[in-house]
Amino acid sequence: GDSVTQMEGPVTLSEEAFLTINCTYTATGYPSLFWYVQYPGEGLQLLLKATKADDKGSNKGFEATYRKETTSFHLEKGSVQVSDSAVYFCALSEGQSSASKIIFGSGTRLSIRP
Amino acid sequence: DAGVTQSPTHLIKTRGQQVTLRCSPKSGHDTVSWYQQALGQGPQFIFQYYEEEERQRGNFPDRFSGHQFPNYSSELNVNALLLGDSALYLCASSLVDSYEQYFGPGTRLTVT
Repeated sequence: GDSVTQMEGPVTLSEEAFLTINCTYTATGYPSLFWYVQYPGEGLQLLLKATKADDKGSNKGFEATYRKETTSFHLEKGSVQVSDSAVYFCALSEGQSSASKIIFGSGTRLSIRP
Repeated sequence: DAGVTQSPTHLIKTRGQQVTLRCSPKSGHDTVSWYQQALGQGPQFIFQYYEEEERQRGNFPDRFSGHQFPNYSSELNVNALLLGDSALYLCASSLVDSYEQYFGPGTRLTVT
């Protein structure tokens, strides 16, 4: 079945460092891809999304590009802040135009040092 | 505009008991999905409800059941609780024709 594999954490960086969190997926169709973020004590929030190959999702300085040829959706940010400390989940949805189950990776905990 | 709300926030139950968790979707949403998130893991899809019927189901035993009401709110019921059912249970709402799901804060269930 469909699955998502993301880089294991925890990841610890200094403020203003460059961030990459790797994510690859396995899917039989053409999934939509997501990054969700879970801040301490809060629920899951959608960070960014991409629905077709070569789409770039972006939000709050984070970016990820849907790469069909490498089945990847790596999350990047040029300069991280302490407030970016959270758990990040890569995910896919089988549907593009209808509500469908979301399949999540295991999460990557990110800690940013001042 | 209220987002997705869940109750209760925390719950402690004994092995073998039954539990009911509740979810109110974001205003205007008609579809509710439930997920189980074990400690240190990503959420796992349990099932999805639309028009008061189960629309999709993940790989969970029949001990997990649900219901959706005419006002689109939903309940998750778990019977014969096991220690392994201890987890954060997340509710997500959406429109049936949209892939975007909005998550609630979750209910933390502890089974002792």
